[in-house]
Parts: sequence; structure tokens; C-alpha cells
Amino acid sequence: QVQLQQSGPGLVKPSQTLSLTCAISGDSVSSNSAAWNWIRQSPSRGLEWLGRTYYRSKWYNDYAVSVRSRITITPDSSKNQFSLQLNSVTPEDTAVYFCTRGSGTFDYWGQGTLVTVSS
Amino acid sequence: QPVLTQPTSLSASPGASARFTCTLRSGINVGIYRIYWYQQKPGSLPRYLLRYKSDSDKQQGSGVPSRFSGYKDAATNAGLLLISGVQSEDEADYYCAIWHSSTWVFGGGTKLTVL
Repeated sequence: QVQLQQSGPGLVKPSQTLSLTCAISGDSVSSNSAAWNWIRQSPSRGLEWLGRTYYRSKWYNDYAVSVRSRITITPDSSKNQFSLQLNSVTPEDTAVYFCTRGSGTFDYWGQGTLVTVSS
Repeated sequence: QPVLTQPTSLSASPGASARFTCTLRSGINVGIYRIYWYQQKPGSLPRYLLRYKSDSDKQQGSGVPSRFSGYKDAATNAGLLLISGVQSEDEADYYCAIWHSSTWVFGGGTKLTVL
């Protein structure tokens, strides 16, 4: 059974960096068939895919245009996890953040982390 | 105009059918896309229901009842989710998604109320 466990702060100050980690059990971040995503959800923006990392003989990343200049998703094979960094946050980045596995068939989800951007 | 448009709400009586639409923006041809559908109950994580591109390219999510099915309407350029025999437990938000321009795009979601 795949499990995704998220960790990271729930409060970030404006202009600072949002950092979250998703620890994987039951699968591997280096799997040649999986993709590992970050998705957020807010009342104003609904579900919004932020980006993904995946391994196909080498590492790849894809990012949403809306956050491309501010986002980094990094895999860590030694710890079997992947991380999200979102720079220069504003109150508009307040949302519940989820890590998920899949490419459309987002079949496993982390528990979600409410991140509030506020001073 | 958003890439995917969903009505904000839908109501259905128990035992009836509920038909959800996910309309693609003009210029984006529904015929070439796999449409993915998710269910989210209040306070819960989204759950993958199914994907549909054609009758020969479709997939049901693990444990998802067969009364949930996907279709397309080329005339309206829309992906469709049909729930046959609606049950009270189906009351939830339903989202569609496609892979478009190297991005996963979600619709705004439709809230199903079971009367």
C-alpha cells in the first residue's frame, strides 16, 4: 500500500519561501513508471496542479506556467521523498497543498497541508 | 476563457441519473484528450474515478462502481461523467482534468446535491 506523508510549516510570511516534503512508502520516487506531483486547492483557485518530478533513466520536471518562475520540485532518492519549494509567496498562495502520485490517475494523495501566507 | 468549464452545481434524486459536463475551450478538440474525473467529499481527499477517451481507451479507478461511467459529446466539445442510480453517498464535488500544453488542468468542479 502506497502512503504519502507530508511535512512542513503551515504558516509562511509574504515574500518568503514555502517548503514542503512528501515522504513515500510502498513505492519509489525513482520508479520508472510513476510521477510525483504537487497540487494545491483553494476556494478561489480550485484544484491547481503545480508540477511534477519523475524518473525515466534520468530526472525530469514539469511545472505549471502560473508558478514556473517560482517553483522547484526536487526528488531525494536516498530518503525516498520529494520536496516543493515555492519562492516569493503572497497571500494568493494560501491553499491546501497535496502531494500525489500519478499522471492523471492521481491514485494516492498525501494528507494535505494548509499553508497560510500571512505576516 | 478557462480551458475546462464545469457547471457549479447539479442536483439529482436518489435512483436517478446525474450527468456532469466538462466543456473544453473553443479550439481545444475533446476528441484527442483523455478526460479524467475525480470525486471529493467534504473534508476528504480527491478520489480518482475514471478516465475516458473513447470506448477502446478508458479506465475505471480501483474500486469505483460501474454505475460511474465516462463519455464524450463531440457536438458540445465536452467530456461527460454519468452516475446511474445516484445514491446519497454520491453527494460530493466532481472535477474533470486533462493534460494540456504540458500541464494538468482541472475544471472548477460541480457540486452534486442528492435531494
